[in-house]
Amino acid sequence: GENVEQHPSTLSVQEGDSAVIKCTYSDSASNYFPWYKQELGKGPQLIIDIRSNVGEKKDQRIAVTLNKTAKHFSLHITETQPEDSAVYFCAATNSGGYQKVTFGIGTKLQVIP
Amino acid sequence: NAGVTQTPKFQVLKTGQSMTLQCAQDMNHNSMYWYRQDPGMGLRLIYYSASEGTTDKGEVPNGYNVSRLNKREFSLRLESAAPSQTSVYFCASSDALKASSGNTIYFGEGSWLTVV
Repeated sequence: GENVEQHPSTLSVQEGDSAVIKCTYSDSASNYFPWYKQELGKGPQLIIDIRSNVGEKKDQRIAVTLNKTAKHFSLHITETQPEDSAVYFCAATNSGGYQKVTFGIGTKLQVIP
Repeated sequence: NAGVTQTPKFQVLKTGQSMTLQCAQDMNHNSMYWYRQDPGMGLRLIYYSASEGTTDKGEVPNGYNVSRLNKREFSLRLESAAPSQTSVYFCASSDALKASSGNTIYFGEGSWLTVV
């Protein structure tokens, strides 16, 4: 099955700096890569996603890049703000008969004011 | 909009007790899921229901049973709770029957379960 590795597990940045979270996946058949943000006491919520036919996608201060050859994808947050503090999960979707999503272990991001 | 609603939010059980976590979604989604979240382990799939009337095991199904009661509701049952089942449980739903459509998974707020 799919295996998703995510690092770092914790990340502290100064407000205004950039944050980068990296993931690798094992199943070359995976074709959809969402990123979820989980705030304290809440369920994860989709913040951005990328499909295998696209190399980069941007939405305001967040961007995701995908390197299918290397099976790497990354989340980039620029001009970080305290409200960006949360746990971020990357995920890869197996292209089997249903949407089976494999998640990374999560990255706890702390933005220091 | 309610989205995915799960109950209870907090529960303490004694070893050997049984309980059922309830989940309902109001988005007319076909697929529903139960995940557990543990420190350092991320989100792990317990069971899923690709569509009404079907259920299948996920990554960590042992000790759990599920029921897809109708299109809206998907419950998770612990028949004989063990301390290893202390975790945060998330119900989720999505509209995708095929992975290629890549539809968003919507999560509930979580249920904190402690087994003593």
